[in-house]
Amino acid sequence: DQQVKQNSPSLSVQEGRISILNCDYTNSMFDYFLWYKKYPAEGPTFLISISSIKDKNEDGRFTVFLNKSAKHLSLHIVPSQPGDSAVYFCAASVPYGGATNKLIFGTGTLLAVQP
Amino acid sequence: GAGVSQTPSNKVTEKGKYVELRCDPISGHTALYWYRQSLGQGPEFLIYFQGTGAADDSGLPNDRFFAVRPEGSVSTLKIQRTERGDSAVYLCASSAIAGPVETQYFGPGTRLLVL
Repeated sequence: DQQVKQNSPSLSVQEGRISILNCDYTNSMFDYFLWYKKYPAEGPTFLISISSIKDKNEDGRFTVFLNKSAKHLSLHIVPSQPGDSAVYFCAASVPYGGATNKLIFGTGTLLAVQP
Repeated sequence: GAGVSQTPSNKVTEKGKYVELRCDPISGHTALYWYRQSLGQGPEFLIYFQGTGAADDSGLPNDRFFAVRPEGSVSTLKIQRTERGDSAVYLCASSAIAGPVETQYFGPGTRLLVL
C-alpha cells in the first residue's frame, strides 16, 4: 500500500507565481517529512524538511506546511522560477531502532515553470 | 568536494544474468542506503548499512538481491538471475551520521535494463 501519496503527477505555473505541491500520508508514526527535488539523470537533492511536531518550516522561497490531523503536507514555492522545473518528491521517515531513518517516497510531481 | 558516485551509470543485461552495481559514498560517511526507482514511481528503500553491517535489509525484494560493504566505505549491490522486472534506476545515498534525515546525499543512480 502507498503510505505517501502525491496525487498530482504534474503541475504547470507561470514564472513569478506560487507553486503548491501536495502530499498525503497514512502512517501516523512518521516523524519527519521531507521534500526532494530531482532533475533528469541526477539523484534526488534534499530541499526542505519538517518535523512532525511542527506545522511550518520556511527556507527562502520554500515553505512546507504540515497538517497532522489531515495527514497532509504541502510545499509552497514563491516566487516560482524556471530553474525550479523538476520532479518533486515528498518523503517521510520512520525511525528504525532509534538510529537512522529510511525514507518512504511518494510518486513525485513534475513541476513546469513557464517563463 | 566529491559527492556520491555510482558505477556503471547504465547497465544492460539479459534475463538470468548476474549484475553488480557499485556505490562510492561521500568520504567519511558511515551510513549508506540503497533505493530502487521504477518507472513512474518514487525511490523505494532496499537496504541500509551502518559501517560494514546491514542494519536494515527489510526492503530487499527477495533472496536474489544482496549487498555488501566490507570495509565500511564502498558498497556493492548484487542481483542474481536477473528478471525483466528488476529494470529500474538503483540509487545510493550516504549520510555522515545515523541521524537527521536531511543529511542523506544521493548519487546519480545506475540505470539497469534487463532484456
